[in-house]
Amino acid sequence: QKEVEQNSGPLSVPEGAIASLNCTYSDRGSQSFFWYRQYSGKSPELIMSIYSNGDKEDGRFTAQLNKASQYVSLLIRDSQPSDSATYLCAVEGNYGQNFVFGPGTRLSVLP
Amino acid sequence: NAGVTQTPKFQVLKTGQSMTLQCAQDMNHNSMYWYRQDPGMGLRLIYYSASEGTTDKGEVPNGYNVSRLNKREFSLRLESAAPSQTSVYFCASSDDVVLRGGGELFFGEGSRLTVL
Repeated sequence: QKEVEQNSGPLSVPEGAIASLNCTYSDRGSQSFFWYRQYSGKSPELIMSIYSNGDKEDGRFTAQLNKASQYVSLLIRDSQPSDSATYLCAVEGNYGQNFVFGPGTRLSVLP
Repeated sequence: NAGVTQTPKFQVLKTGQSMTLQCAQDMNHNSMYWYRQDPGMGLRLIYYSASEGTTDKGEVPNGYNVSRLNKREFSLRLESAAPSQTSVYFCASSDDVVLRGGGELFFGEGSRLTVL
């Protein structure tokens, strides 16, 4: 059974700081990695996808992938209170093109 | 643009009752999925449909059945509800099932089900 692990948090950071969210996965054969953001009571929405080792930047968000260490992370620069949400890591899974989700990390950005 | 629409948004059932969750997408996606989300456990795949006319089991299919009615619609049925099925259910769709790497999942708003 493929597993995806995340620190459940809550992770609290002050406004303007860098928030660092981490995710590890068990299947060395995984090729696709995703970060979803989920506000309380809402559905998940895609923030970033990453397929190759290294960094991928999109605005204030940077995804980092290290396949050798089976580790993927999400950095949020200049964190804002509106970034307060649960962040779900998803890794390509067993079922066709479906994904195994981690339990999520709850981020709280304090004004 | 509606995207993925789920009904109902809330439902309370008694143990043993049956019900169907409806899902429709207007994005012309081939793939559709049903997930459940429980506290501390993330999203778990119940069933998915890679294309019209096909369905496959996911990680937690027991106690559920699905029907891919057409390309737009994918329903989830609980034949005899149990308290363990109390959860938030999300329908999702994506447009990329063949190529390795997958595609973005678009989620419905969720259906909160309580089984007493």
